[in-house]
Amino acid sequence: EDQVTQSPEALRLQEGESSSLNCSYTVSGLRGLFWYRQDPGKGPEFLFTLYSAGEEKEKERLKATLTKKESFLHITAPKPEDSATYLCAVQASTGGYQKVTFGTGTKLQVIP
Amino acid sequence: SQTIHQWPATLVQPVGSPLSLECTVEGTSNPNLYWYRQAAGRGLQLLFYSVGIGQISSEVPQNLSASRPQDRQFILSSKKLLLSDSGFYLCAWSVGPGGSYNSPLHFGNGTRLTVT
Repeated sequence: EDQVTQSPEALRLQEGESSSLNCSYTVSGLRGLFWYRQDPGKGPEFLFTLYSAGEEKEKERLKATLTKKESFLHITAPKPEDSATYLCAVQASTGGYQKVTFGTGTKLQVIP
Repeated sequence: SQTIHQWPATLVQPVGSPLSLECTVEGTSNPNLYWYRQAAGRGLQLLFYSVGIGQISSEVPQNLSASRPQDRQFILSSKKLLLSDSGFYLCAWSVGPGGSYNSPLHFGNGTRLTVT
């Protein structure tokens, strides 16, 4: 069974204090790993797709990296507007449809 | 650009009442459509997905059902709600057949359902 574990569950940072969020996964053939941002009461917003180990993607203060067992979302010099829950998801190559397994997320709070 | 609309945003319904949540997608054709439920402290749970009109696959046995009467319309229904149906329901779309097989999901803003 595909599994996604995110850590920490919650993270509190001072504005400008860089850190990383972790996503460990077990999947029977990785087709893609996705990062999403979710604001309270809203649907997840797509950030990145990573396809193979060694790949990196960047968007503003966010940088996602991928190894064969985990992915990291690095947040450089965060601002209060980066406060949100960040979700990681993996898509398996098995099945005849887009089977996507989500983690439970890391709730990030950036304090001014 | 593509947009996804989901309504209502919030809903309070008594136990035993029917349910109908609607989702429409604009700006794309033949999308894959999904219904997810998100419970506090738990990952998103896939309820139904559809690869075309009238084609519905169920992932979790329950008293909910889904229908896709038009290419870009997806409806989640129940004849009689249970207390356990309370939660945050999310509709999503992804590129359908002919597109990238590993294209990401794009979500609507969800419906907060409270069954009382």
